[in-house]
Amino acid sequence: GENVEQHPSTLSVQEGDSAVIKCTYSDSASNYFPWYKQELGKGPQLIIDIRSNVGEKKDQRIAVTLNKTAKHFSLHITETQPEDSAVYFCAASKSGTSYGKLTFGQGTILTVHP
Amino acid sequence: DAGITQSPRHKVTETGTPVTLRCHQTENHRYMYWYRQDPGHGLRLIHYSYGVKDTDKGEVSDGYSVSRSKTEDFLLTLESATSSQTSVYFCAISEVQGARYGYTFGSGTRLTVV
Repeated sequence: GENVEQHPSTLSVQEGDSAVIKCTYSDSASNYFPWYKQELGKGPQLIIDIRSNVGEKKDQRIAVTLNKTAKHFSLHITETQPEDSAVYFCAASKSGTSYGKLTFGQGTILTVHP
Repeated sequence: DAGITQSPRHKVTETGTPVTLRCHQTENHRYMYWYRQDPGHGLRLIHYSYGVKDTDKGEVSDGYSVSRSKTEDFLLTLESATSSQTSVYFCAISEVQGARYGYTFGSGTRLTVV
């Protein structure tokens, strides 16, 4: 089955700096890659996603890039703010063929210091 | 989260006792999933459902069973709880096989087995 590795496990940045979280996946048939943000005591919430026919997607301060050849994708957060502090999860799935099952990475604890 | 409710939010139970967690949705989504979240492991799929009475196992299904008799309810049962099942359990729903919209997660159930 699919295996998703996520790095780093913890990331500490100063407010205003950029943060990058990287994930690799094993199944070349995976074609859908969402990112989730989990705040303390809450369930994960979808923040951005990308499909395999797109190399990059942006939404304000966040962006995701995908390298299908290398089977890795990354989340980029620019101009970080304290409210960006949370746990971030990447995930992968083969949309349309696997009942939408997502395989998640291990998570990254992002801390943004004021 | 709007449209999806998990109950109870917290539970402490003794080893060997049966436990049932409930996930209720008001979105009429076809797909429902149970994940467990543990430090260092991210979110791992326990069981999922692709319709009423249609369920299947995920990667960590041993010791768990599920039932879905109505579109809106997905129950997770630990037949005989063990300490290794101490975890935070999340239910998620999806409309189009997780493809375009990703998951919507509930707020989670923190289960402690003593």
